[in-house]
Amino acid sequence: DIQMTQSPSSLSASVGDRVTIICRASESIRRHLNWYQQKPGRAPNLLIYAASTLQSGVPSRFSGSGSGADFILTISSLQPEDVATYYCHQSYITPGSFGQGTKVEIK
Amino acid sequence: EVQLVQSGAEVKKPGESLKISCKGSGYSFSDYWIGWVRQMPGKGLEWMGIIFPGDSDTRDSSSLQGQVTFSVDKSIDTAYLQWSSLKASDTAIYYCARRRIIRLPDVGRGVYSFDVWGQGTRVTVSS
Repeated sequence: DIQMTQSPSSLSASVGDRVTIICRASESIRRHLNWYQQKPGRAPNLLIYAASTLQSGVPSRFSGSGSGADFILTISSLQPEDVATYYCHQSYITPGSFGQGTKVEIK
Repeated sequence: EVQLVQSGAEVKKPGESLKISCKGSGYSFSDYWIGWVRQMPGKGLEWMGIIFPGDSDTRDSSSLQGQVTFSVDKSIDTAYLQWSSLKASDTAIYYCARRRIIRLPDVGRGVYSFDVWGQGTRVTVSS
């Protein structure tokens, strides 16, 4: 099975800050990497698929990059509504697997 | 509108059986895999397994093999997750999600993602 590791586990930033979350796979997953946002008490929501493609309806301040085993989710200008936990997910092989999550808070 | 609607919260005792449901609408249910994801209290997302409604082909996590059963009734566009004997450690929120494939020219084979999620079913197992 492929293990997914995110860092940091949590972060606190000010409104307007640039935020970066890292996701590392235990082996190459090419670009089969998705990012989800989960707000408190809600189901997860797909933000980015195939490492860098923005899901329809997702604000353009979210972006993704990377390939192989190292990936980055960037929020270019943090907004209050971005308070959530963010998860990466590899779909290269079955079983799929998620990172442990990164909790984003406002300072 | 594409939707997945899950059955309501359940409170059960250890050893009891349970079957929760996930009903799709707004798309061709038989053409997309359905995935199940577990979220234990205060924890992250865990990939449990997937089922293809067209032929009930199933793939599951090695850590969960034999502990749950995935099934589907494509005549009513509904997927199910079932336990024969619940344990306290099964306490969690269970999400179903549609597994979509997107074929991108620079990625090779298609990329799967969970693009539509159910609202979640909270299962509490306590004596």
